[in-house]
Amino acid sequence: GAGVSQTPSNKVTEKGKYVELRCDPISGHTALYWYRQSLGQGPEFLIYFQGTGAADDSGLPNDRFFAVRPEGSVSTLKIQRTERGDSAVYLCASSLTSSSYNSPLHFGNGTRLTVT
Amino acid sequence: DQQVKQNSPSLSVQEGRISILNCDYTNSMFDYFLWYKKYPAEGPTFLISISSIKDKNEDGRFTVFLNKSAKHLSLHIVPSQPGDSAVYFCAAALSGGSNYKLTFGKGTLLTVNP
Repeated sequence: GAGVSQTPSNKVTEKGKYVELRCDPISGHTALYWYRQSLGQGPEFLIYFQGTGAADDSGLPNDRFFAVRPEGSVSTLKIQRTERGDSAVYLCASSLTSSSYNSPLHFGNGTRLTVT
Repeated sequence: DQQVKQNSPSLSVQEGRISILNCDYTNSMFDYFLWYKKYPAEGPTFLISISSIKDKNEDGRFTVFLNKSAKHLSLHIVPSQPGDSAVYFCAAALSGGSNYKLTFGKGTLLTVNP
């Protein structure tokens, strides 16, 4: 079956530009997450959606980062005025429910963002 | 401050032998722990988990041990196979309403030599 799909797989952009990263979760998964993995680090939580609403955006680093999930399925992570420090792999994950106990996260392959 | 620590960046073992990957945590509010495996250019995939009410969980060649008093867990792979070569991440979830949010360690690169 189809897993979590992320596009593009790679994105190179210039400092100051705007980028959008897309995530297509597994069909039927109500919970969707964005994580960021910097070089040499583990994934770090950014934001969690339950349905259409952002239930927890406490991991977003600053107000240049924003994410939406308007119809409760596909999500877009938007980064304004990109900085070189934003360079990382952005991972999207989905799960059947929001509980870690019985619904592990299924990750996509990520979008590698490089800001030059 | 890293709440989940994997102090060994890499580990190399011979095929057929045991691989032991270690993880320490500092937050006593963590009550659920997971291991994820990651191949290059792919996302992490769930491997095995353990609740804090248990001290051991086994799934085929993979066993996770939890020592709550020491705030330490380990993943044992027996026997190790070349296909197990990957980065292994330890992750922890808080008890209660925030258990959807995982805190990951930095990972350990396991190499299994034929």
